[in-house]
Amino acid sequence: SAVISQKPSRDICQRGTSLTIQCQVDSQVTMMFWYRQQPGQSLTLIATANQGSEATYESGFVIDKFPISRPNLTFSTLTVSNMSPEDSSIYLCSVKGRNTEAFFGQGTRLTVV
Amino acid sequence: AQTVTQSQPEMSVQEAETVTLSCTYDTSENNYYLFWYKQPPSRQMILVIRQEAYKQQNATENRFSVNFQKAAKSFSLKISDSQLGDTAMYFCAFIKAAGNKLTFGGGTRVLVKP
Repeated sequence: SAVISQKPSRDICQRGTSLTIQCQVDSQVTMMFWYRQQPGQSLTLIATANQGSEATYESGFVIDKFPISRPNLTFSTLTVSNMSPEDSSIYLCSVKGRNTEAFFGQGTRLTVV
Repeated sequence: AQTVTQSQPEMSVQEAETVTLSCTYDTSENNYYLFWYKQPPSRQMILVIRQEAYKQQNATENRFSVNFQKAAKSFSLKISDSQLGDTAMYFCAFIKAAGNKLTFGGGTRVLVKP
């Protein structure tokens, strides 16, 4: 299994500002995934981050709002830009395991005020 | 596109009793994997159990077992001898065998009562 460290674990931010979430994996992985979980909802995939190329965004998510970096095979960041209260969610990073299962970071609880 | 449906928003069960969570899915794929994940209040997503579609035998992990009905596209989770620590959100998830993207159901909140 993969061990994923995600930080910050929570933050309260002012609207109009940006927050960068970091995700560190204890092994090299080709793809990392970023999910959003709105209050009381299920997980929705934001984008897939590949090392050495631009992230692939899902419908409804754009790079200007959620820029992603993937500088190496063990690390990725997701930035939530120009935040509004509607961005208040849990954000989770994930990697795919050897047996197709997904492993997740601890999640970042973001509250925008 | 795949869809995953969990029809029970919330379930409660007495400690030591058994509870069954339902999950149905829709896909045209023949090879895929199904999962149940647990999300306690700590937010950490924890893999509970995994089922390969080409295996007829239902997966079992200690007190957790599944009833996988491929023709009916049904994948229920049974929690036996429920414990207080089982209180959490439970998500059913699907992935194509050659795919990378998980599709999640809406979740079922399980409350284990003492």
